[in-house]
Amino acid sequence: QVQLVESGGGVVQPGGSLRIACEGSGFSFSSYGMNWVRQAPGKGLERVAFIQYDGSDENYGDSVKGRFTVSRDNSKNTLYLQMNSLRPDDTAVYYCAKDVVAVSGDYYHYYMDVWGKGTTVIVSS
Amino acid sequence: DIQMTQSPSSLSASVGDRVTITCRASRSIGNYLNWYQQKPGKAPKPLIYAASSLQSGVPSRFSGSGSGTEFSLTISGLQPEDFATYYCQQSSTTPMFTFGQGTKLEIK
Repeated sequence: QVQLVESGGGVVQPGGSLRIACEGSGFSFSSYGMNWVRQAPGKGLERVAFIQYDGSDENYGDSVKGRFTVSRDNSKNTLYLQMNSLRPDDTAVYYCAKDVVAVSGDYYHYYMDVWGKGTTVIVSS
Repeated sequence: DIQMTQSPSSLSASVGDRVTITCRASRSIGNYLNWYQQKPGKAPKPLIYAASSLQSGVPSRFSGSGSGTEFSLTISGLQPEDFATYYCQQSSTTPMFTFGQGTKLEIK
């Protein structure tokens, strides 16, 4: 079945770095844009990064721009998020989510149809 | 950036009730509006896309409506498994999606 599995979360000191990963299975990973969405404890959802299906374009939320880098290895069906200069407010569950597009006439509606279970990142000294 | 505001932030209801959650956009987004459901400790799950289209496998008691800046999610005949937090998300400025702050639906 279609599945996303995140890994690599953990505890890191402020100012440190961490790379988390997300492996996809059950679908053509290289055909879909992918997202990282995070959720701080007790808070709402925040999309932090997006990468096109072929890695040709990336977008970042303002809160992580310049510190986080999204990448993918389609030969390994894996999405990555390199997080540098981590801050305590980066503490969150990080979900990867697959993009899907629904076409209606000339209109393209994007949403996230498959989500992983998340990996927890804690930034603390 | 487009801001998304949901109301109410929390809501108490009983099994069998009909409830409506509202989502407002800071500027017009056409019908580029999605809804997700999230249960405690779980990942979000898509319910509705393009404001009113039901995601495959989602029960028909869920419905969405609206366009422009005002949208709503209605659950007709609440079931025990529907008590969760609901998020709207605009996809007008794809890929720079933004979410609403969430509405927690609790059992009365």
